[in-house]
Amino acid sequence: GAVVSQHPSRVICKSGTSVKIECRSLDFQATTMFWYRQFPKQSLMLMATSNEGSKATYEQGVEKDKFLINHASLTLSTLTVTSAHPEDSSFYICSSVAGKADTQYFGPGTRLTVL
Amino acid sequence: AQSVTQLGSHVSVSEGALVLLRCNYSSSVPPYLFWYVQYPNQGLQLLLKYTSAATLVKGINGFEAEFKKSETSFHLTKPSAHMSDAAEYFCAVSDGGATNKLIFGTGTLLAVQP
Repeated sequence: GAVVSQHPSRVICKSGTSVKIECRSLDFQATTMFWYRQFPKQSLMLMATSNEGSKATYEQGVEKDKFLINHASLTLSTLTVTSAHPEDSSFYICSSVAGKADTQYFGPGTRLTVL
Repeated sequence: AQSVTQLGSHVSVSEGALVLLRCNYSSSVPPYLFWYVQYPNQGLQLLLKYTSAATLVKGINGFEAEFKKSETSFHLTKPSAHMSDAAEYFCAVSDGGATNKLIFGTGTLLAVQP
């Protein structure tokens, strides 16, 4: 399957700081990338859909000013958690899709801990 | 609207026994259905997918799933469990490309006993 990477794999930050997470599709051009959040022992919740060159589409209840998404190229999308608080601590996972009706390939995830 | 229900948040089987993980879906359009596996602190790996072709879908690691429209089910099976199959399994449904969005079930944690 296709390879999607995320960086960093784990980050610990202080409350009030901002954290940027990168998602890269390494062997294909991703027309669309998705960002998910997963709480311990729970399922994945879609946060937003990111299309290259356009603004991200956020799911209901997700603050777009809190979770900034940039999809600057066909291989890179970034999620910035602004002014992070302890309740933002979670496992963030991205996925990439090459085209319509294609399979989503997932990154390995980023564990964010906000102190 | 689409949704997925996974019956049984925890399933325990003995090594060598049949694995059956249940998934029922609801969809107003012909669904695309997926099974993903997640190992601790890792992302999701695609096991198999149904996209309106053959109703019996074979995936990696000996897993397969059968799409039954009449039962709105897409249960995952493996004839003989291996210790390495212990993981979290997620069933997901999508709208077949209109948005590519995946709706996930709540997951089933599979334990394999020696």
